[in-house]
Amino acid sequence: AQSVTQLDSHVSVSEGTPVLLRCNYSSSYSPSLFWYVQHPNKGLQLLLKYTSAATLVKGINGFEAEFKKSETSFHLTKPSAHMSDAAEYFCVVSYGSGDKLTFGTGTRLAVRP
Amino acid sequence: DTAVSQTPKYLVTQMGNDKSIKCEQNLGHDTMYWYKQDSKKFLKIMFSYNNKELIINETVPNRFSPKSPDKAHLNLHINSLELGDSAVYFCASSQDWGQGYTYEQYFGPGTRLTVT
Repeated sequence: AQSVTQLDSHVSVSEGTPVLLRCNYSSSYSPSLFWYVQHPNKGLQLLLKYTSAATLVKGINGFEAEFKKSETSFHLTKPSAHMSDAAEYFCVVSYGSGDKLTFGTGTRLAVRP
Repeated sequence: DTAVSQTPKYLVTQMGNDKSIKCEQNLGHDTMYWYKQDSKKFLKIMFSYNNKELIINETVPNRFSPKSPDKAHLNLHINSLELGDSAVYFCASSQDWGQGYTYEQYFGPGTRLTVT
């Protein structure tokens, strides 16, 4: 079965330092990839998406992700963390038109003052 | 204006009861979804409707029945509630389905269901 793996369940960074949240997908067809963020007791918000255009994707709030086919990865980065970035982040994959979204298990990002 | 809204936000009920959760989207989208998020935050799709037609029906107990009266609404009715049904249920919508493209989905705020 097609899947997506988030390599870290928890990541903790200091405010102002870079953020790296790792995601790998199982390789089969060319995937569509998304990152969603869920703040406490809130719904999910789309950060960015990759759908076979540019491999470096820029999203909202300063986040970006790079699609690396050779590594089957789609890691999420941000140069400088803010306290407001503390949330749960989900890497999501879909394999082709008509396929459902498959969610990773999530990475909880904590930001220390 | 809220894009995808759900009611109620919280629902506490006893085992064996029947309850409904309502979802509405004002984005003009053709496709709507129901997801279940368990206590470990894992999200799994339950159902999807495209233009009021069921297109995804995952392995969900038949106590769960979705209903789509029109493209803007997708309700979830749950019969004979069980303790294991306690979760957060999210509604979502997307512009379309298939058509050679994977559309991003927009999520509602969630309904926290607690079965006692």
